[in-house]
Amino acid sequence: GEDVEQSLFLSVREGDSSVINCTYTDSSSTYLYWYKQEPGAGLQLLTYIFSNMDMKQDQRLTVLLNKKDKHLSLRIADTQTGDSAIYFCAESRAGTALIFGKGTTLSVSS
Amino acid sequence: DAGVIQSPRHEVTEMGQEVTLRCKPISGHDYLFWYRQTMMRGLELLIYFNNNVPIDDSGMPEDRFSAKMPNASFSTLKIQPSEPRDSAVYFCASSVVGFNTEAFFGQGTRLTVV
Repeated sequence: GEDVEQSLFLSVREGDSSVINCTYTDSSSTYLYWYKQEPGAGLQLLTYIFSNMDMKQDQRLTVLLNKKDKHLSLRIADTQTGDSAIYFCAESRAGTALIFGKGTTLSVSS
Repeated sequence: DAGVIQSPRHEVTEMGQEVTLRCKPISGHDYLFWYRQTMMRGLELLIYFNNNVPIDDSGMPEDRFSAKMPNASFSTLKIQPSEPRDSAVYFCASSVVGFNTEAFFGQGTRLTVV
């Protein structure tokens, strides 16, 4: 298909790890992104990975990229209630336009 | 810089009326993007500009939608006439050198057409 696919919901308990998965479509995408959207706000870039990398770690965030399967994941360690938000996976097609998935709503319970 | 500024934040209008959404990108950014967010379809790219020139408008749903960027600091998205199915949150975003660098999003305009 032509869509960036994500699961719609994820529910975790505070302190657990969260893993949000995404499959993308364009093997020529040079950058893959994770954006976060808090209620009533716009999207903010959380992290990104260049396509020649397998993994990127940034504090509590770990991004894994499997180019063969066109699979991207975002792991949040020690998930906090403040991490509750919608997380969007996006790919950069033709080096310019970002194409987003529908977003995964992460709900963190205490 | 105050970031990407969109106005209005909320708009409620009657079916058939003209709606104009406004965006001020971050100074110095040469790409500007309009997105629409709905529960059913997620975030859809409508159109984007580079140096005020429309590059790709294939995401604009119908001829009722039009977008302009008369200068580097201002863009509008117009819907005429508006329909209830146009109800959504419309986001403007800007960036430098396309998307190989961070794209900054505005707060969005929540449009309700009744």
